[in-house]
Amino acid sequence: GENVEQHPSTLSVQEGDSAVIKCTYSDSASNYFPWYKQELGKRPQLIIDIRSNVGEKKDQRIAVTLNKTAKHFSLHITETQPEDSAVYFCAPYAGGTSYGKLTFGQGTILTVHP
Amino acid sequence: NAGVTQTPKFRILKIGQSMTLQCTQDMNHNYMYWYRQDPGMGLKLIYYSVGAGITDKGEVPNGYNVSRSTTEDFPLRLELAAPSQTSVYFCASSRKREGHKDTQYFGPGTRLTVL
Repeated sequence: GENVEQHPSTLSVQEGDSAVIKCTYSDSASNYFPWYKQELGKRPQLIIDIRSNVGEKKDQRIAVTLNKTAKHFSLHITETQPEDSAVYFCAPYAGGTSYGKLTFGQGTILTVHP
Repeated sequence: NAGVTQTPKFRILKIGQSMTLQCTQDMNHNYMYWYRQDPGMGLKLIYYSVGAGITDKGEVPNGYNVSRSTTEDFPLRLELAAPSQTSVYFCASSRKREGHKDTQYFGPGTRLTVL
């Protein structure tokens, strides 16, 4: 099965700084790379994703970059705001007969200080 | 659309009791999933279903059972509750898309405590 590791496990930044979270995966067949945000006591929600045929995708202050050769992808948040404080999960997907099953990383707790 | 709904929101069980966690989606999604999330941890897949009448085990299926008699509903059954099953349970669904993955939509979760 897929082995997924996220780094760092916790990240503390000042408002306005940038934050980067890295996700390393093991299955070279992985072809879909989403990032989920989970606020305290809430459900996980997709914030951005990228397909294997694309190297980078941006959505306002959030971007994801993919390095398929090295088998890692990263979440970039610029101009961080206190409402970005949450736990972030990567969940690479291997496709094929995986039937949509995602393997979640252990999460990164992001704290943005005002 | 209500999306994915779960009941109950909270439940306290005694050791050995049984219960069913309900999950319903109104998006006509083929795929449905049950995850558990222990405090400070990521989500682990318990069971999943690719359509009515078809279910399969995920990473941590022991102590649980599921059924999928309709496209909309995917209940999770705990037969003999144990303290190790204290967790938050999330149901999710996604649309079947050939070739690549579609977004998983999560329900609000059920917080279960077994004492």
